[in-house]
Amino acid sequence: EPEVTQTPSHQVTQMGQEVILRCVPISNHLYFYWYRQILGQKVEFLVSFYNNEISEKSEIFDDQFSVERPDGSNFTLKIRSTKLEDSAMYFCASSSRKGTSGGNTGELFFGEGSRLTVL
Amino acid sequence: KNQVEQSPQSLIILEGKNCTLQCNYTVSPFSNLRWYKQDTGRGPVSLTIMTFSENTKSNGRYTATLDADTKQSSLHITASQLSDSASYICVVRDQTGANNLFFGTGTRLTVIP
Repeated sequence: EPEVTQTPSHQVTQMGQEVILRCVPISNHLYFYWYRQILGQKVEFLVSFYNNEISEKSEIFDDQFSVERPDGSNFTLKIRSTKLEDSAMYFCASSSRKGTSGGNTGELFFGEGSRLTVL
Repeated sequence: KNQVEQSPQSLIILEGKNCTLQCNYTVSPFSNLRWYKQDTGRGPVSLTIMTFSENTKSNGRYTATLDADTKQSSLHITASQLSDSASYICVVRDQTGANNLFFGTGTRLTVIP
């Protein structure tokens, strides 16, 4: 069964360092997302990506964050200068179609997550 | 304000027992509601989806209900197993677009032998 894969599963970094989290979405999916989940808190939306550009982003997704789809398969999240509060589980997700009121459910398929620890 | 509230926050039950998890939402206009299961340290996995016209839907030992009038949903787990231990997250989508998903904080279920 196709699945979303993420690497690394866990990364420890020093504050101020750059981090790149990688995701390989399901191959025929067109919409890509990054979410994060701070330990013990709810899943939070970061950014969505479609047609090689950001379609929406949240307040969390500030100038320190960027996303890229450098080739036909990878979807990356870069944090330029990590802060302590960036420590979280980062989930990549993909869907085959956009959820709309017309009945498309736009199910998201989540990866296993990348745990980022900033020291 | 669009919100999703879940209760209880955590629940411990004996293996073989049934349980019901609750989700109340204020998301409008409503599109659909999903229940996800999230094992510790793993990504959420969809269990079931409820659209506006559906009142109940089953997926094995999981049965979800939806009352769109009162904006409430429940997830009933029958004959619980140790592997049911996980967080169960209610996620509501509104009609405005792909990114308007509203996540609940989840119910942490622990099934003990």
